[in-house]
Amino acid sequence: SQQGEEDPQALSIQEGENATMNCSYKTSINNLQWYRQNSGRGLVHLILIRSNEREKHSGRLRVTLDTSKKSSSLLITASRAADTASYFCATDYRGSTLGRLYFGRGTQLTVWP
Amino acid sequence: NAGVTQTPKFQVLKTGQSMTLQCAQDMNHEYMSWYRQDPGMGLRLIHYSVGAGITDQGEVPNGYNVSRSTTEDFPLRLLSAAPSQTSVYFCASSYGQGARGYTFGSGTRLTVV
Repeated sequence: SQQGEEDPQALSIQEGENATMNCSYKTSINNLQWYRQNSGRGLVHLILIRSNEREKHSGRLRVTLDTSKKSSSLLITASRAADTASYFCATDYRGSTLGRLYFGRGTQLTVWP
Repeated sequence: NAGVTQTPKFQVLKTGQSMTLQCAQDMNHEYMSWYRQDPGMGLRLIHYSVGAGITDQGEVPNGYNVSRSTTEDFPLRLLSAAPSQTSVYFCASSYGQGARGYTFGSGTRLTVV
């Protein structure tokens, strides 16, 4: 399987704390994407980082990419209860059909008020 | 509102029945995909399309057919439903090779009894 793997599978924190989720993948990529899924809903695209980028920011989100370790991390700063959701990384592998994404199993984040 | 529309939202089928899951997008996206989501498995790609008239198989295509006669529509057909096809199905679309991230529909929850 070409799936990436998120770590941890579940994360529980208090409001105001930072949440860090990690993603490891297997082969060279064109880009890596992070998505959020609220319970019972579709996925929402959060951020995309290309293979030649090391860090990207979007609001309270910070994504890093280490291609030498084949890993990425998603940091959510100052978490809110509304951030409670599942977070997935998806990889666009080099050599695969462009635009074809492989998703991990996700990290379930719970933020307590 | 612009986006990806999936119908129906819920469906119960008997084993052996056939049906079509509808997916439409109004963003003039070239790329469209179908995923299934099962507990603990993340999202797995069923079929995808890179433009009208062009489709290809994903990771788990068996038991499903697709066609893409227009840019807007990408229906998924279950030929003879089996309990193993009980899942949540998501349609997604993207502009140009997915390099800007995918827009997901809200999903179809299918139960095969």
